[in-house]
Amino acid sequence: GESVGLHLPTLSVQEGDNSIINCAYSNSASDYFIWYKQESGKGPQFIIDIRSNMDKRQGQRVTVLLNKTVKHLSLQIAATQPGDSAVYFCAENILGGTSYGKLTFGQGTILTVHP
Amino acid sequence: ETGVTQTPRHLVMGMTNKKSLKCEQHLGHNAMYWYKQSAKKPLELMFVYSLEERVENNSVPSRFSPECPNSSHLFLHLHTLQPEDSALYLCASSQTILQGLDTEAFFGQGTRLTVV
Repeated sequence: GESVGLHLPTLSVQEGDNSIINCAYSNSASDYFIWYKQESGKGPQFIIDIRSNMDKRQGQRVTVLLNKTVKHLSLQIAATQPGDSAVYFCAENILGGTSYGKLTFGQGTILTVHP
Repeated sequence: ETGVTQTPRHLVMGMTNKKSLKCEQHLGHNAMYWYKQSAKKPLELMFVYSLEERVENNSVPSRFSPECPNSSHLFLHLHTLQPEDSALYLCASSQTILQGLDTEAFFGQGTRLTVV
């Protein structure tokens, strides 16, 4: 079936470096994508989202890039801090129709930031 | 705190027990969700409620029974569970059913359920 997956299950970076977390999706009908951050003992926290009519969206220290040609999504974190250490999930959805609320999540990437 | 509160945080129950998980949101949202998070598996959507009406039942076994008495509260009633049902159960809410940009879902901290 259709699924969302991550290239790298773990990523270790030094504090101050930029981090890039990747995600591949297989459902070409997906048109809405979200990145979530989950810290230990907490629920997922929304970071940023993007619609398929965009290829880039920026937030505070984060940028999401979408390449629909190769069905690839990435999350870039600038000047990574120890507080960014968490599991990062990408999720996809199809807006409208009967898929509302039915986010499909990837397995997650563990980001570890070393001081 | 995200404004979504789940209780209890931890629950251990036997296979013959009946228990309930509670979720409360203080955000004035109209949509609420139950997700299951198992080790080494992606988050799985279980149920979606919009304005207290169930709009999605994602092929969940009948031993899980949701209840949404009002737009602020969501319950998950559990009975005759199996050990493989042990997982983190997450509640989420959003202003409306997820439709587009900035309609984000806010998650609670989850209930860690262990079935023995």
